[in-house]
Amino acid sequence: DVKVTQSSRYLVKRTGEKVFLECVQDMDHENMFWYRQDPGLGLRLIYFSYDVKMKEKGDIPEGYSVSREKKERFSLILESASTNQTSMYLCASSLQRERGTQYFGPGTRLTVL
Amino acid sequence: SQQGEEDPQALSIQEGENATMNCSYKTSINNLQWYRQNSGRGLVHLILIRSNEREKHSGRLRVTLDTSKKSSSLLITASRAADTASYFCATANSGGGADGLTFGKGTHLIIQP
Repeated sequence: DVKVTQSSRYLVKRTGEKVFLECVQDMDHENMFWYRQDPGLGLRLIYFSYDVKMKEKGDIPEGYSVSREKKERFSLILESASTNQTSMYLCASSLQRERGTQYFGPGTRLTVL
Repeated sequence: SQQGEEDPQALSIQEGENATMNCSYKTSINNLQWYRQNSGRGLVHLILIRSNEREKHSGRLRVTLDTSKKSSSLLITASRAADTASYFCATANSGGGADGLTFGKGTHLIIQP
């Protein structure tokens, strides 16, 4: 069965802290994605990766960076967290060259105080 | 950029009735997908319809696609309390690459027992 896991369900951080959100998939998928979800705005793509050590900016990359050292793991990094980064963060993965089904993790609700 | 827009934003019906949600989009697509999200959880893929398809069924779900009108609809027949969730359409744009999906803001469906 397909599985995407995220390191934390809930996270509380302070302004200025460096924050790491981890995502792991066990499906040998090439593509991995990070979205944030906010009320009234839906899901917005932050970054995605189609191969190890490759990354592409999505619609709202400002204030974020990513790391993909291994195929199964995709990390989202907030270099200096700010209150406007309080949100639900969703990771997803999919097969390469197939704009098909994305499999989502359960999400991390991040609060920045 | 937001591509899909769902309509209505919220829908409340009685158990056993049919629920219809609509999605409009702006640019050419490779495929359109519908996802469900239960409160505070990740998204679950429901159904994918390709740009050369007009209708697709999966259990109690029926999806239609009209590329001339750039619109899609999701019909859930014989609704159940467990169908209470938010429903999102997502478009995969045509063209090369494997970039992320573009999601709408969702329809919140409530099934009254």
